[in-house]
Amino acid sequence: AQSVTQLDSHVSVSEGTPVLLRCNYSSSYSPSLFWYVQHPNKGLQLLLKYTSAATLVKGINGFEAEFKKSETSFHLTKPSAHMSDAAEYFCVVSLNYGGATNKLIFGTGTLLAVQP
Amino acid sequence: EAGVAQSPRYKIIEKRQSVAFWCNPISGHATLYWYQQILGQGPKLLIQFQNNGVVDDSQLPKDRFSAERLKGVDSTLKIQPAKLEDSAVYLCASGKRDYNSPLHFGNGTRLTVT
Repeated sequence: AQSVTQLDSHVSVSEGTPVLLRCNYSSSYSPSLFWYVQHPNKGLQLLLKYTSAATLVKGINGFEAEFKKSETSFHLTKPSAHMSDAAEYFCVVSLNYGGATNKLIFGTGTLLAVQP
Repeated sequence: EAGVAQSPRYKIIEKRQSVAFWCNPISGHATLYWYQQILGQGPKLLIQFQNNGVVDDSQLPKDRFSAERLKGVDSTLKIQPAKLEDSAVYLCASGKRDYNSPLHFGNGTRLTVT
């Protein structure tokens, strides 16, 4: 069965320092993986996705994630945090219904705080 | 392209009352999803439609929740009667018929049951 585990419920960084949000997945076959961001009182916005192409995926706003099959990980990183990055981040795995459609399984989320 | 539209934005009701939420997906998206997001948790799938048929409603509390997607476009989610534990944000999302395609989410409806 597919699942995702976000290892940190809260992460706090200083502005200008690197960001690392950790995610491990469980999947019986090659998964599609996503990171979504949710700002307060807003809907979820796609940051980036991995779909079995390049293992290093670049997303919006300077974020990137690396798919590591040997570690079953898909950690999200950014070299330098900005105040506007403060939000909740969700790691998501896609369950494929035989190619016809998909179902997203969400992690529990990591709340990122950025200190000035 | 226009995004996923949801209304109302906020709703406050008393327990045992009824409430309905509306969602207009992105034009051409075959799949439509309703998620429930309780404060401090990740979204939980309630129901998934493909066109106007239900693909997955295994986590929908069918004794009080119902949803429909008439003509494979707009969708409504209803709760009758509401309980205190239904207080949450209800997110609608739509997507293409491709499991590699991401979902597009609306801003959600925040429901408070008192």
